[in-house]
Amino acid sequence: SQQGEEDPQALSIQEGENATMNCSYKTSINNLQWYRQNSGRGLVHLILIRSNEREKHSGRLRVTLDTSKKSSSLLITASRAADTASYFCATDAYSGAGSYQLTFGKGTKLSVIP
Amino acid sequence: KAGVTQTPRYLIKTRGQQVTLSCSPISGHRSVSWYQQTPGQGLQFLFEYFSETQRNKGNFPGRFSGRQFSNSRSEMNVSTLELGDSALYLCASSSPRVGESARLRDTQYFGPGTRLTVL
Repeated sequence: SQQGEEDPQALSIQEGENATMNCSYKTSINNLQWYRQNSGRGLVHLILIRSNEREKHSGRLRVTLDTSKKSSSLLITASRAADTASYFCATDAYSGAGSYQLTFGKGTKLSVIP
Repeated sequence: KAGVTQTPRYLIKTRGQQVTLSCSPISGHRSVSWYQQTPGQGLQFLFEYFSETQRNKGNFPGRFSGRQFSNSRSEMNVSTLELGDSALYLCASSSPRVGESARLRDTQYFGPGTRLTVL
């Protein structure tokens, strides 16, 4: 089952604008990770935020985590055409029967128009 | 360091056949996880191996199995293929935590995937 749910499902912006994607989840987590996937290829790790952190930055990326609301957001500033990709949040959590796993949302498809 | 490699990159099979996919992790990484990605279900966790042992398992039928070798390379096998098994199969490696910290998943480094088409 999907734990993380991204919003919006698709986002189209002009180059130079900021892009914000949101992720909501259901259970307690160890950490939350954001990944990017270019069409039909492998995923690339962007940033990991631990459950006791509230905000993290990496270059043009800013991630926030609100564990009380069980939500996270990814902000990409000054977007570029090369940022066009699908973005996924993944929650690291206990999944039952002694198993821990990363559970991915269905992703936000970002299109940056030059 | 070389990245995660997966072979083959593309595969076409027919219903009822079986298939074996291979994954070589980043040198030094001993944890390998497998995921299935489909348009309908998204990315779903199959299983994780560490030191030749399956450590975590997703909610897939027994037709899906895997193993890990002493050099950390991993294979996954799908028997009696169904049309719904058509998907991109992704393998990811990571530096695993052990002991009490084994419950934590850190950064996953993904391979390019194997695109399986079942006819």
